[in-house]
Amino acid sequence: EAGVTQFPSHSVIEKGQTVTLRCDPISGHDNLYWYRRVMGKEIKFLLHFVKESKQDESGMPNNRFLAERTGGTYSTLKVQPAELEDSGVYFCASSPRTGFYEQYFGPGTRLTVT
Amino acid sequence: EDQVTQSPEALRLQEGESSSLNCSYTVSGLRGLFWYRQDPGKGPEFLFTLYSAGEEKEKERLKATLTKKESFLHITAPKPEDSATYLCAVQRASGGSYIPTFGRGTSLIVHP
Repeated sequence: EAGVTQFPSHSVIEKGQTVTLRCDPISGHDNLYWYRRVMGKEIKFLLHFVKESKQDESGMPNNRFLAERTGGTYSTLKVQPAELEDSGVYFCASSPRTGFYEQYFGPGTRLTVT
Repeated sequence: EDQVTQSPEALRLQEGESSSLNCSYTVSGLRGLFWYRQDPGKGPEFLFTLYSAGEEKEKERLKATLTKKESFLHITAPKPEDSATYLCAVQRASGGSYIPTFGRGTSLIVHP
């Protein structure tokens, strides 16, 4: 069974540019989560999809971040325009069940904004 | 606000030298405490879920325990391949919220 995949693995962009991160969850997993880890800090929740619906997006930093999950399969996270403080590692995770169950993480996308 | 504090931040052990990692938490209405292992350049890998005080889970050389205020990850006779960052996360019961709060992790290095 293929795990969670993320693309790209690393992205370097200039301040003010746009970047789109992609996450492909494990097939059949309705729950998809986005997280971010800023250097030296803990992993922070961004948002949670159940199928194509946003269950909770309370962790999204501001309206420069837009997440979509069309058709309940893969998800994209767009940052527009990027700021220096957006740098970090963005993780995606999926889970087959909604609730307090283990999540399966992807390898992450390292975003560097210069 | 939920808080998770992990200690020590870093730990160096000799192969075979047993030790414990600590995860102290403050959460209203704990629903689950999770331990993950993270290798460099990879995402966290699920290890255990503990749901109530007194619960214990084991997997190979790892044993996780839970009290009302903290969890321990005991590593018995570690091997170099156990080197990784170990993350603790808690989830609380609050309506439909399933947001985990992570600690910063303990970086473990096991020397041969």
